[in-house]
Amino acid sequence: EVQLVQSGAEVKKPGESLKISCKGSGYSFTNNWIGWVRQMPGKGLEWMGIIYPSDSETKYSPSFQGQVTISADKSISTAYLQWNSLKASDTAMYYCARLYYDILTGYSRLDHWGQGTLVTVSS
Amino acid sequence: EIVMTQSPATLSVSPGERATLSCRASQSVTNNLAWYQQKPGQAPRLLIYGASTRATGIPARFSGSGSETEFTLTISSLQSEDFAVYYCQHYNNWPSLTFGGGTKVEIK
Repeated sequence: EVQLVQSGAEVKKPGESLKISCKGSGYSFTNNWIGWVRQMPGKGLEWMGIIYPSDSETKYSPSFQGQVTISADKSISTAYLQWNSLKASDTAMYYCARLYYDILTGYSRLDHWGQGTLVTVSS
Repeated sequence: EIVMTQSPATLSVSPGERATLSCRASQSVTNNLAWYQQKPGQAPRLLIYGASTRATGIPARFSGSGSETEFTLTISSLQSEDFAVYYCQHYNNWPSLTFGGGTKVEIK
């Protein structure tokens, strides 16, 4: 069974750093893209970026380029989302999801999701 | 960046009725479009990919259609568990795989 298990909720102060995690199991973690999605309170889904754990190739949505860092450690099947200096506007639920690419059809989709990590940034 | 526009923002439907949700892309995404369902307090769930292929375990009352810039998600006979927010997302222009703003399907 494919599973993505995210780290627990975090409460931080503005200016602090943070790294949250997403551990995959039940599939080839190394050979599947992992994406990150933000959902601010009461709002919709926002695409942040993706990483290919095999070689750590990373692609960011223009809106999030330079704001966060996506990384992965394939040896422990874990992807990460990191901030160097949090802002109150980073308060949101963050989801990781497997971005499955079907080479036969060329279609992609986020077919398995983590449970989400709630990040609260408040002074 | 491709902009995805969903309409309506809110759809009020009675149980057993048909619901039709729309998603429009600012430029062609061919058939590279997926639909997700999100219930309060839960992660999104994949419903449809490739514009019209149901994901594993998704009931047949959910169907997707369209191509290029115009897409539709139809729920043929709404069940109580279908009241949720629905999002479309394109996959045609990596890495900016934008979501639509969502359509909330509520009980009429």
